[in-house]
Amino acid sequence: AQSVSQHNHHVILSEAASLELGCNYSYGGTVNLFWYVQYPGQHLQLLLKYFSGDPLVKGIKGFEAEFIKSKFSFNLRKPSVQWSDTAEYFCAVNEAGGFKTIFGAGTRLFVKA
Amino acid sequence: ETGVTQSPTHLIKTRGQQVTLRCSSQSGHNTVSWYQQALGQGPQFIFQYYREEENGRGNFPPRFSGLQFPNYSSELNVNALELDDSALYLCASSLRQDYGYTFGSGTRLTVV
Repeated sequence: AQSVSQHNHHVILSEAASLELGCNYSYGGTVNLFWYVQYPGQHLQLLLKYFSGDPLVKGIKGFEAEFIKSKFSFNLRKPSVQWSDTAEYFCAVNEAGGFKTIFGAGTRLFVKA
Repeated sequence: ETGVTQSPTHLIKTRGQQVTLRCSSQSGHNTVSWYQQALGQGPQFIFQYYREEENGRGNFPPRFSGLQFPNYSSELNVNALELDDSALYLCASSLRQDYGYTFGSGTRLTVV
């Protein structure tokens, strides 16, 4: 069965620090990969997605993620975080053409001003 | 874009009762998925509807059922409520079944 593992449940960073959130999935076939973000008091929204092509994907607000197929990973990065990046981040995966998107447990990021 | 709207935002039900949650999908989206999110966990897939048919289901019992209407809006019905059904229920619409989602704000269900 598919599963998604996010390595850190809570991350605390100071402003301007670099961010990397880990995500690994278990599925041997072709997958689509996503990162979603939930800011305090808001609904989940799509941050970026990977379907095919360049494994380095750029999303909104300066975020990027790299798909490493050999490691079944899709880590989220940002070179310099801001206080406004405080949110919960969810990694998600589905089988290409499939109906079921599986989410990780989420990582809560707190950025100190 | 109209976004995804869910109603109600909160409700409290008694164990054994039945509940119906509603969702209006984003304009142009023909696929609706429902998720259950317990506190401190990621969303868990309940089922997906595409053009009024259920086209996939997660590990939820049959007392969780749904509908999709011709305008692509959707309902989630839960019968014989249990305490463990207390959670945030999220509706998400998409252009295709494996595309990225647009989520609603959710319905917070408390079963007492």
